[in-house]
Amino acid sequence: DVKVTQSSRYLVKRTGEKVFLECVQDMDHENMFWYRQDPGLGLRLIYFSYDVKMKEKGDIPEGYSVSREKKERFSLILESASTNQTSMYLCASMGSGNEQFFGPGTRLTVL
Amino acid sequence: DQQVKQNSPSLSVQEGRISILNCDYTNSMFDYFLWYKKYPAEGPTFLISISSIKDKNEDGRFTVFLNKSAKHLSLHIVPSQPGDSAVYFCAASEGAGSYQLTFGKGTKLSVIP
Repeated sequence: DVKVTQSSRYLVKRTGEKVFLECVQDMDHENMFWYRQDPGLGLRLIYFSYDVKMKEKGDIPEGYSVSREKKERFSLILESASTNQTSMYLCASMGSGNEQFFGPGTRLTVL
Repeated sequence: DQQVKQNSPSLSVQEGRISILNCDYTNSMFDYFLWYKKYPAEGPTFLISISSIKDKNEDGRFTVFLNKSAKHLSLHIVPSQPGDSAVYFCAASEGAGSYQLTFGKGTKLSVIP
């Protein structure tokens, strides 16, 4: 079974703080993704990576950056957290098929 | 512009009856479609998929129908069970070599005992 884990289930940060969200997958997948999910807006793609050190912007990259130094790990960074970044963050990985496997999510609250 | 639309934000169905969740798309390049199920405070889990070369795919109680000419797909759950209560997301991709899935906004299904 594919396992995608995220470093925290719940996180509370203050405005202006730097926030790191970590994601690890154990299936040697090339592709990894970060989404945010908000009520009424569905899943929106922030960034994705198709290989180590490679990244592509998704639909809403503003205010975020990513890092992929190892194949199994994909990090999402909020350089200076703002209240409008309060959301559920979901990491996913994908191999050669079209199916994405999701982690449990991190509920981030920015005060 | 939304390329994948789920026009019903919510749906209530009696236990044992059929649940039908609908999804429309606008991008004619989409050729692979997936349904995901999401419980609160959990990540989405893959449910069923269909390629554009088919018009139907079944897996147990779940069946997905694809009407390419209408750019419409639907997920049927028969019989519906209370454990099926969740948010269902429709997703689409442009097929081989495409990394990205485009998701709809989701439909919250409530199955009433």
